[in-house]
Amino acid sequence: GDSVTQKQGQVTLSEDDFLFINCTYSTTTYPTLFWYVQYPGQGPQLLLKVTTANNKGISRGFEATYDKGTTSFHLQKASVQESDSAVYFCALDTNAYKVIFGKGTHLHVLP
Amino acid sequence: GGIITQTPKFLIGQEGQKLTLKCQQNFNHDTMYWYRQDSGKGLRLIYYSITENDLQKGDLSEGYDASREKKSSFSLTVTSAQKNEMAVFLCASRPGTSNYAEQFFGPGTRLTVL
Repeated sequence: GDSVTQKQGQVTLSEDDFLFINCTYSTTTYPTLFWYVQYPGQGPQLLLKVTTANNKGISRGFEATYDKGTTSFHLQKASVQESDSAVYFCALDTNAYKVIFGKGTHLHVLP
Repeated sequence: GGIITQTPKFLIGQEGQKLTLKCQQNFNHDTMYWYRQDSGKGLRLIYYSITENDLQKGDLSEGYDASREKKSSFSLTVTSAQKNEMAVFLCASRPGTSNYAEQFFGPGTRLTVL
């Protein structure tokens, strides 16, 4: 069946460090892939999405590239800020109503 | 713009109790979802509904009932609360069946069972 894997449960960085969060997926369809961000006390909100048509999503300094060869959709940011501290979820949408979420990566950015 | 409202924000129950969580959206979205969020386990789908009066079971539906009597509302019932259970229940909605559409989430209901 379809699945999403986020192995990094927690990442701790200092301000201005480079961020890389790993996400891999498995599906037999042509999916749309999302990154959601959840700040404390709030529900998740869309950070960026990528379809097979455009391959790359960029938002608020974050970017993710859809790599069909390695079935990956890693999230990157060149220079993180303390305000980026949050939980980040990778998600897979195969157009079957159900969206499959990864387990989430808790990012702590130290000042 | 629109908003998703979840009530109550905090819910404290007793073991064996039946508990109901409510969700309202004013986006006029067709599809609504209930997820359970536990630390380290991501978001797990409990129920979803593709239109008024429709109900579809997710991967975690055992122990829960749901109801979608109006397009704008979707409620979830914990049929028998489990002792020491702690979780956040998230409601979400999105328009139709397009796989390009983002989900919009409410702020969550935090459940504690004593």
